Amino acid sequence: AQSVTQLGSHVSVSEGALVLLRCNYSSSVPPYLFWYVQYPNQGLQLLLKYTSAATLVKGINGFEAEFKKSETSFHLTKPSAHMSDAAEYFCAVSDRFDMRFGAGTRLTVKP
Amino acid sequence: GAVVSQHPSRVICKSGTSVKIECRSLDFQATTMFWYRQFPKQSLMLMATSNEGSKATYEQGVEKDKFLINHASLTLSTLTVTSAHPEDSSFYICSASITGYTEAFFGQGTRLTVV
Repeated sequence: AQSVTQLGSHVSVSEGALVLLRCNYSSSVPPYLFWYVQYPNQGLQLLLKYTSAATLVKGINGFEAEFKKSETSFHLTKPSAHMSDAAEYFCAVSDRFDMRFGAGTRLTVKP
Repeated sequence: GAVVSQHPSRVICKSGTSVKIECRSLDFQATTMFWYRQFPKQSLMLMATSNEGSKATYEQGVEKDKFLINHASLTLSTLTVTSAHPEDSSFYICSASITGYTEAFFGQGTRLTVV
């Protein structure tokens, strides 16, 4: 069975500061990994995905994530937070037949 | 990118009535569609997986007679909440996949309120 653990249900940063959202996964097969963002009362928007190509994945809105097999991690980063980044972020893992989501991390950006 | 349209975005219904939610893949054929339920400030809980032309596979604990899923075509899946009760009030989200979970495309969600 596969699973995802997101460390920290709530992260608060100042505008312009580094954003780091943590995700660790468990999978018995080489995983596909995803980060999604959700704004209030909306569906999920894909930020980026890892599908066994480059370990450093660049996504939309300046986000990127690095797949580290030895650490079973796929942390999401952004060098400089913007007010519009405030949202809920979900990490997900897939074995091509099933997708499981983490509990989510709410990102707050302070002016 | 691939677009999934979910309708309605919000619905209020009376207790005891049924509500149908549609999920359409607009520019691709979805071999598999997924239905999730999301409680406030919580993650997505997979309810069921449906493949076109076959019965949906429900997750443990999800009442299949309560949440009827029909995947009539490669572009349309529907979720019907039957005899809705206030505890069914939630945010329901669908997603569609082309072949396996290499990527899933999500609808915008439906806020169901049962009064």
